[in-house]
Amino acid sequence: GENVEQHPSTLSVQEGDSAVIKCTYSDSASNYFPWYKQELGKRPQLIIDIRSNVGEKKDQRIAVTLNKTAKHFSLHITETQPEDSAVYFCAASNGAAGNKLTFGGGTRVLVKP
Amino acid sequence: NAGVTQTPKFQVLKTGQSMTLQCAQDMNHEYMSWYRQDPGMGLRLIHYSVGAGITDQGEVPNGYNVSRSTTEDFPLRLLSAAPSQTSVYFCASRRQNNEKLFFGSGTQLSVL
Repeated sequence: GENVEQHPSTLSVQEGDSAVIKCTYSDSASNYFPWYKQELGKRPQLIIDIRSNVGEKKDQRIAVTLNKTAKHFSLHITETQPEDSAVYFCAASNGAAGNKLTFGGGTRVLVKP
Repeated sequence: NAGVTQTPKFQVLKTGQSMTLQCAQDMNHEYMSWYRQDPGMGLRLIHYSVGAGITDQGEVPNGYNVSRSTTEDFPLRLLSAAPSQTSVYFCASRRQNNEKLFFGSGTQLSVL
């Protein structure tokens, strides 16, 4: 089955700086790559996603890039703000195999004011 | 819409006890699933269902049972609780043709 590795496990940045989280996946047939944000004590919520036919996608201060050849994708947060402090999860799924999402281990991001 | 509703929010069990975690959604989603969240291990799929009467195993199904008698409800049963099942459990649902998952608020379970 699919295996998703996520790094780093913790990330501390100064407010206004950029944050980058990287994920690798094992199943070359995976074609959907979402990112979920989980604030302390809350449920995970989708913040951005990318499909395998696209190399990059942006939504305001967040962007995701995908390298299918290397089987890795990354989340970029620019101009970080205290409200960006949360745990971020990457995930991957294969539409032909039922779209079951396999999640990475999570990255705890702390934005210091 | 209430979205995905989970009960209870907190539960403490003794080893060997059984219980059912409830999950209901009012979005007419065909797909429902249960995940457990453990520190450093992300969210791991326990069981999932693509529609009423259909269930299948995920990554970590042992010790858990599910059923899907209606589109709205997807309960998770622990038959004989073990300390290794101490975790936070999330129910999630989505449209069959849409990958976006909607999560419930979670159940924090402790097995002593």
